[in-house]
Amino acid sequence: QQQVKQSPQSLIVQKGGIPIINCAYENTAFDYFPWYQQFPGKGPALLIAIRPDVSEKKEGRFTISFNKSAKQFSLHIMDSQPGDSATYFCAASGSGAGSYQLTFGKGTKLSVIP
Amino acid sequence: ETGVTQTPRHLVMGMTNKKSLKCEQHLGHNAMYWYKQSAKKPLELMFVYNFKEQTENNSVPSRFSPECPNSSHLFLHLHTLQPEDSALYLCASSQGGGGQQFFGPGTRLTVL
Repeated sequence: QQQVKQSPQSLIVQKGGIPIINCAYENTAFDYFPWYQQFPGKGPALLIAIRPDVSEKKEGRFTISFNKSAKQFSLHIMDSQPGDSATYFCAASGSGAGSYQLTFGKGTKLSVIP
Repeated sequence: ETGVTQTPRHLVMGMTNKKSLKCEQHLGHNAMYWYKQSAKKPLELMFVYNFKEQTENNSVPSRFSPECPNSSHLFLHLHTLQPEDSALYLCASSQGGGGQQFFGPGTRLTVL
């Protein structure tokens, strides 16, 4: 019940394409859903996050879509660029002050071809 | 940079060695974390410290021993490790729970 399932494992798109990464969760107590971006040799960095009171959140070229009834959320990258090539992780946790456990998906390695 | 630093960045050790990983956060956060990142597996939370008190230990073998002397510093003491312990060890910090965690660059550990 603590798992977050992420797909696909890897993704290759042309520059300007719109890669979509999907995640699904089981634990209905989760109410904070961040996406992290990790470049080689670096730690993960928060990209964008959503709470279940909204169905979509957009920051620049990055959009999270959230479907509470299906317990799924996805990341869309508009007008993708070679600099977006990285590994992306979805995660989920409770939002209370005592909720320290972030449950991560296995990651998606994105390659954007010029 | 995220405000979380880790040293060393790379470490090679034999199974009988004792070494320590260090993490320091400059963000004024009160919670610090150790994660293990292995290829093709999700990030695994190992330990959580909140205000220097350990709040979570996710069934981590005793050959990993954390230490948190204050809210800004976190150590991971390693002894008699196994080759399967080779991984990237990430430190993170946050202000309380239920929100953003800031990660350091990690220590790439190789156990021979």
